[in-house]
Amino acid sequence: ELKVEQNPLFLSMQEGKNYTIYCNYSTTSDRLYWYRQDPGKSLESLFVLLSNGAVKQEGRLMASLDTKARLSTLHITAAVHDLSATYFCAGTNTGNQFYFGTGTSLTVIP
Amino acid sequence: EAGVAQSPRYKIIEKRQSVAFWCNPISGHATLYWYQQILGQGPKLLIQFQNNGVVDDSQLPKDRFSAERLKGVDSTLKIQPAKLEDSAVYLCASSSDRSQPQHFGDGTRLSIL
Repeated sequence: ELKVEQNPLFLSMQEGKNYTIYCNYSTTSDRLYWYRQDPGKSLESLFVLLSNGAVKQEGRLMASLDTKARLSTLHITAAVHDLSATYFCAGTNTGNQFYFGTGTSLTVIP
Repeated sequence: EAGVAQSPRYKIIEKRQSVAFWCNPISGHATLYWYQQILGQGPKLLIQFQNNGVVDDSQLPKDRFSAERLKGVDSTLKIQPAKLEDSAVYLCASSSDRSQPQHFGDGTRLSIL
């Protein structure tokens, strides 16, 4: 079973600040996904990272993958209130089974 | 394109009763997933279909949960009998293939009394 751990679990940050969410996984994972979930809503796909060193950016969010360290990061630049949500990372094992982390609840304070 | 449709949105039942959820994936998506998301946790994969065949159901409590995907399109997930710990949101997702990101439905919020 692939274990996926995120930290921090809760993050409160001021608008305009930068911060990074970390996602560690226990065994080899071919792909790493990041999702966003707003309260009471379903999950929205943000990024798919397919290979070591992959970096993807969308607006104020940038995701990267280091397969050797079994680590993915989601970096937030100059946070705005609209980014408040819960962010999940998920990995897949060799059998293409998906395992989600526990999520990071982000609150951006004006 | 139309998204993943799920029904009902909410369901309240008593323990030991049975319940069924329905999912209609995005047209053309061969892969369909059912997840259980308990409050404050990440989604947990219950079962994964490729067309109408089961790819993985290792985390499905088969003594009470069952799922089918007849004709490789719509899917139903059933719980019989329900237990208190089954209270959760049940999410259906689909993707064009297993390497692509999943598109999630709005989920069914199940409360067991």
